[in-house]
Formats: sequence, C-alpha cells, structure tokens
Amino acid sequence: AQSVTQLDSQVPVFEEAPVELRCNYSSSVSVYLFWYVQYPNQGLQLLLKYLSGSTLVKGINGFEAEFNKSQTSFHLRKPSVHISDTAEYFCAVSVPDSSYKLIFGSGTRLLVRP
Amino acid sequence: KAGVTQTPRYLIKTRGQQVTLSCSPISGHRSVSWYQQTPGQGLQFLFEYFSETQRNKGNFPGRFSGRQFSNSRSEMNVSTLELGDSALYLCASSDGTVNTEAFFGQGTRLTVV
Repeated sequence: AQSVTQLDSQVPVFEEAPVELRCNYSSSVSVYLFWYVQYPNQGLQLLLKYLSGSTLVKGINGFEAEFNKSQTSFHLRKPSVHISDTAEYFCAVSVPDSSYKLIFGSGTRLLVRP
Repeated sequence: KAGVTQTPRYLIKTRGQQVTLSCSPISGHRSVSWYQQTPGQGLQFLFEYFSETQRNKGNFPGRFSGRQFSNSRSEMNVSTLELGDSALYLCASSDGTVNTEAFFGQGTRLTVV
C-alpha cells in the first residue's frame, strides 16, 4: 500500500519570501507524484507532476518540486511567494497500474502574509 | 472547453435519507473518479469508473455506490446517510491514463443533519 505524509499542516510566510512544502511518501512499487492546489470553495488544480526522467520538475505559477528517491521525498518550492498563493496544497501519489487512483497527503495550508 | 461540472453544489439532507450526486466530465474523457474530503480524514478515494465499468474502489462501506453512463457522466449515491457523511465530494475527470492530468470539479458540499 502507498501513503503520503505532509509534515506541516500550516506554513506561514511573508510575501516575496521563499517557501518549501514538504512531502514524503511510502510505497513498495514505483509511483507517480503530484502536487495539487486548492483555493477556498474550489476543486483541486494540478501544479506539477513527476512521472520519470529529470528529478526537478517545473510547474505552473512558478512552483517547482524535486523528486528524491533515496529519501522518498517530493518537496514543493517557490522562490518568491505572493499573497495569491495562499491556499491548501496537497501532495499525492498514484501507482502506474490500470486505474486512476490518487492517494493524498493531509494537506499543507500556505498562509502568505503582507 | 468546458470543465468538470458537479451538481448540485450544495445539499442538505437528513440522517437516514439517501442522496445522488452528479458529475459531468470534460468532453472526451472516459474516466471519472470520486473523492470524499473531510477535515478529519482528508481526501479519500471512493471509486473510479472507466467506460461504464468500475476499475477501482476505495475502502468505503457499501452504502456508497456509483455508476457511469454511456456518455461518461457519472453519479454517486449514498444511502442511509449518517452525520459522518457530511463532506465535500469531488469528482475528477481524465482520459483514463494514469500519467495524464486529472481535472477536478468544484465539488458538492453535502451536509447531513
């Protein structure tokens, strides 16, 4: 079975500061990795995904993430955050089998202060 | 191109009743997945349908069921509602290939009183 751990339930940061949201996963098989963002009263939007290849993945809105197989981590980073980045961020994994099933972490609330 | 449409957006039901939620995927997508989101349990996978067949199912009681129609629209049904079923129910649409993006609807907020 797979599991995802997001250690930080909330991360406060000042505007224009860098941020890192941490994600660790557990799986006995290879997985695909995803980061989604959820704004209030909205569904989830994909920020970026790692399937294979380069371990540094760039996504939308200036976000990037690095896959580290030895540490089973997929941390999300942004060099300079904006107020509009305030949202809930979810890390997720899926197993490349025949069905589409995402296993989510518990989420990290990013709170950007002016 | 139109996104994923979930109806209704909000719903209030009484304990013991049943409810049906609807999801219309993006045109051309044949996979629809359902997730339950609660403050306590987070986002949990309910089931996935592909071309009218259930391909995967999460760990939920039999009161939770779903189906998919030939036009790929999907419905999920919850019978004998319990207070703990209060949640945001999200539907995700994809072409069914796991390495492609799943697009989420805005969800249906179900409140059981």
